[in-house]
Amino acid sequence: GQSLEQPSEVTAVEGAIVQINCTYQTSGFYGLSWYQQHDGGAPTFLSYNALDGLEETGRFSSFLSRSDSYGYLLLQELQMKDSASYFCAVRDNYGQNFVFGPGTRLSVLP
Amino acid sequence: NAGVTQTPKFRILKIGQSMTLQCTQDMNHNYMYWYRQDPGMGLKLIYYSVGAGITDKGEVPNGYNVSRSTTEDFPLRLELAAPSQTSVYFCASLDQYNSPLHFGNGTRLTVT
Repeated sequence: GQSLEQPSEVTAVEGAIVQINCTYQTSGFYGLSWYQQHDGGAPTFLSYNALDGLEETGRFSSFLSRSDSYGYLLLQELQMKDSASYFCAVRDNYGQNFVFGPGTRLSVLP
Repeated sequence: NAGVTQTPKFRILKIGQSMTLQCTQDMNHNYMYWYRQDPGMGLKLIYYSVGAGITDKGEVPNGYNVSRSTTEDFPLRLELAAPSQTSVYFCASLDQYNSPLHFGNGTRLTVT
């Protein structure tokens, strides 16, 4: 089977740094992705890690450790507009499927 | 460049009715997916397609059918709507292995 775990909620203040963790268990693995979804909107792509290590894109960074089946999304210099749900997703089944985690709701307080 | 377009945006169905959720993409992507998202939950894969004429079941296919006669279109059919199918449905497409999923804006379906 396949499953992903994330914390359900995280709260932080503007300007702070927050880390959202994701652990996964899949029958195959072809990379870990992160998506952001604002209330009422569609998920949008943030980052992708196929190999171990850190990927940085502006204020957002994503890390992967394949040996630990673990990754995280790091958001720096938090802004109010970062309040959203964040989903990790793995590619499974020879890379054809995307399986999503349950999502982490981030609330950024002033 | 429209990306992934879903219609309708909203729909209310009575139990037992049928409908087709439309999805079309203009990016010439081979991979297309249908997900459903219940309130406060993650996305669950219903069906996917790796190219025209090829479809396969995802995690929650019961009560749904799909077809993929062209690269652009991937409609999702509900034959006998049930209240358990009340959800937001997202269609997505993908170019190749290391590229991101492109999502449509979703169809909000209520079955009463």
